[in-house]
Amino acid sequence: DGGITQSPKYLFRKEGQNVTLSCEQNLNHDAMYWYRQDPGQGLRLIYYSQIVNDFQKGDIAEGYSVSREKKESFPLTVTSAQKNPTAFYLCASKGGEAYGFTFGSGSWLSVV
Amino acid sequence: LAKTTQPISMDSYEGQEVNITCSHNNIATNDYITWYQQFPSQGPRFIIQGYKTKVTNEVASLFIPADRKSSTLSLPRVSLSDTAVYYCLVARYSSASKIIFGSGTRLSIRP
Repeated sequence: DGGITQSPKYLFRKEGQNVTLSCEQNLNHDAMYWYRQDPGQGLRLIYYSQIVNDFQKGDIAEGYSVSREKKESFPLTVTSAQKNPTAFYLCASKGGEAYGFTFGSGSWLSVV
Repeated sequence: LAKTTQPISMDSYEGQEVNITCSHNNIATNDYITWYQQFPSQGPRFIIQGYKTKVTNEVASLFIPADRKSSTLSLPRVSLSDTAVYYCLVARYSSASKIIFGSGTRLSIRP
């Protein structure tokens, strides 16, 4: 089945540590996105990529970094510069078909 | 980018029809309207998409007036399992671009 796989489902970060969230899709979609969702809140755009080796900042990119070396993969690194990283992170991809977005199942990140 | 406005929350009862309206005053000619449903700790999932007039599928209907400045998601005979957050998204599905979600509508269904 085609879809998006995010891992890990739960992750804990120590002070000063960088952590990376994985996002892989087998939908052959060109565009991929990362959103952050705080409890009880909506989705906020962190980064997006329209094509391999290219990405743009969203509304809350500070403290995060991404790479897009392969069409299938769009990992998100939460750096130590992100002082309040505790949230639910969602990866999505978008193709040209009518349904638009396909989301992964999300990853929870907490600070310990 | 088309900004969307939805009610923050709505309550209803099992078996009722629920209508959630979304305003998108600056929608562009080639924008489509898509509605998503999200349960806690899950990714949003597609419900329905439309461009104008009315679209119906097995779970919902979408009503879009001629000026396309708003849209209404209609859920017939809701059940407890329809308790979720519903997002209205306006975007050009054929192109990849900066896509912003609104705050969504938290729908609570009571027995």
